[in-house]
Amino acid sequence: DAGVIQSPRHEVTEMGQEVTLRCKPISGHDYLFWYRQTMMRGLELLIYFNNNVPIDDSGMPEDRFSAKMPNASFSTLKIQPSEPRDSAVYFCASSSTVMNTEAFFGQGTRLTVV
Amino acid sequence: AQKITQTQPGMFVQEKEAVTLDCTYDTSDQSYGLFWYKQPSSGEMIFLIYQGSYDEQNATEGRYSLNFQKARKSANLVISASQLGDSAMYFCAMREGNTPLVFGKGTRLSVIA
Repeated sequence: DAGVIQSPRHEVTEMGQEVTLRCKPISGHDYLFWYRQTMMRGLELLIYFNNNVPIDDSGMPEDRFSAKMPNASFSTLKIQPSEPRDSAVYFCASSSTVMNTEAFFGQGTRLTVV
Repeated sequence: AQKITQTQPGMFVQEKEAVTLDCTYDTSDQSYGLFWYKQPSSGEMIFLIYQGSYDEQNATEGRYSLNFQKARKSANLVISASQLGDSAMYFCAMREGNTPLVFGKGTRLSVIA
């Protein structure tokens, strides 16, 4: 398996623009997580899905953020409009349904909003 | 309250020496998992080792071992025979059932030649 695949790896965009981050989880994994990493806040959970259904989006910072999982092999995280404070590394991770198992992370997308 | 606490923002260790990275956790669940991840300067998150709450033996994976003290709610990572390539950020994390991983703030380890 190729692991969790995220695209793009790097994104530089202007304030106010729409940004879409993409993720392909490991085949057979039923859980998908979106995390954001910043120096100030560390790794924080934004939202997670189970069997393509959003379970908890309480970590999504505001309405400008939205996430979808239209099928088991694809998820998107969208920011519209983007702001400089959204600059961070965004990680997608997936895991199986076995209790207490590790999550496998993608390479991350480094987002810079100027 | 913080679920995962890593009290060492940074650590230094001499090459070939052992080092212990501290982690304490807070949960009222009986079933949970404890994890350590490594994040090198390239940025990826690499899973290192896992300890289940019901495991009686401390987990080991090569040069990594997890010193699990359930009563004290600690899950320290021990790296033996440190190598220059071990220099990275190390994150302790916990998972309660199928809830998402919750991470600590991390410890930056620097291995000195």
